[in-house]
Amino acid sequence: GENVEQHPSTLSVQEGDSAVIKCTYSDSASNYFPWYKQELGKGPQLIIDIRSNVGEKKDQRIAVTLNKTAKHFSLHITETQPEDSAVYFCAASPPNDYKLSFGAGTTVTVRA
Amino acid sequence: DVKVTQSSRYLVKRTGEKVFLECVQDMDHENMFWYRQDPGLGLRLIYFSYDVKMKEKGDIPEGYSVSREKKERFSLILESASTNQTSMYLCASSATDRGTEAFFGQGTRLTVV
Repeated sequence: GENVEQHPSTLSVQEGDSAVIKCTYSDSASNYFPWYKQELGKGPQLIIDIRSNVGEKKDQRIAVTLNKTAKHFSLHITETQPEDSAVYFCAASPPNDYKLSFGAGTTVTVRA
Repeated sequence: DVKVTQSSRYLVKRTGEKVFLECVQDMDHENMFWYRQDPGLGLRLIYFSYDVKMKEKGDIPEGYSVSREKKERFSLILESASTNQTSMYLCASSATDRGTEAFFGQGTRLTVV
C-alpha cells in the first residue's frame, strides 16, 4: 500500500516568515495529494489539494508543489500568522480509490 | 456545510468492555471512514465503507469491527477494549462524485483504563 513520510515533525517560525513542510510517497500511481490542518480540539480540515496533472497550486498565502518524478510534494505557507499554528497532515491517494494515506503530521508554531 | 458528528468528545472505558463509537454525516455521502490518531503516527485507517452494509478492513483493523446499517451512520466497535486502544478516533466521510476530499468529525478521545 501507499506509504507517506512527512518532515519535519515540528516547525517553529517567527510571525511573518515562511513555513515549508515536505512529504514523500511510495506509490507512483497516486494522483491526489491533499493537505489538512487540524486545530486544537478539532478534526482535520482540508486546506488545499493538488492532482497529478498540476505542478503547483496557490490559494492566498498557501501553496502546494508536486514533483511526480521524485514522488514528493510540499506545502508552503507565506507571511505566517498566529492562526496558522496547528498540526498539518499531508496525504496521498491512488486513482479510483477513496482512501487516504496520511503522513505523521507537522506541528507548526508561529511565534509572535 | 457538510457535518460529520461523532457521538462523544471524551470517553473513559474499562479494559474488557465493549465500546461503541458512533458517527453520523448529513450530506448523503457514500464513503465513510474510521481513523485513529496517535502522536508521531498520524492518522491510520481502521475500517472504511463505500456503501450501506459494505465494510472493508483498513491498515489496522485488529481488535475493531464496524457496522453500517444506514447510509448516514457508521459505527466503530471495540469488541473488548484494551489499554493500547487508548487514542483519538476520527470519523470521516466523502462523496463519490467529488473525488477524495474527506470531511472529518471533531474526534472522540477514548481512554481505556
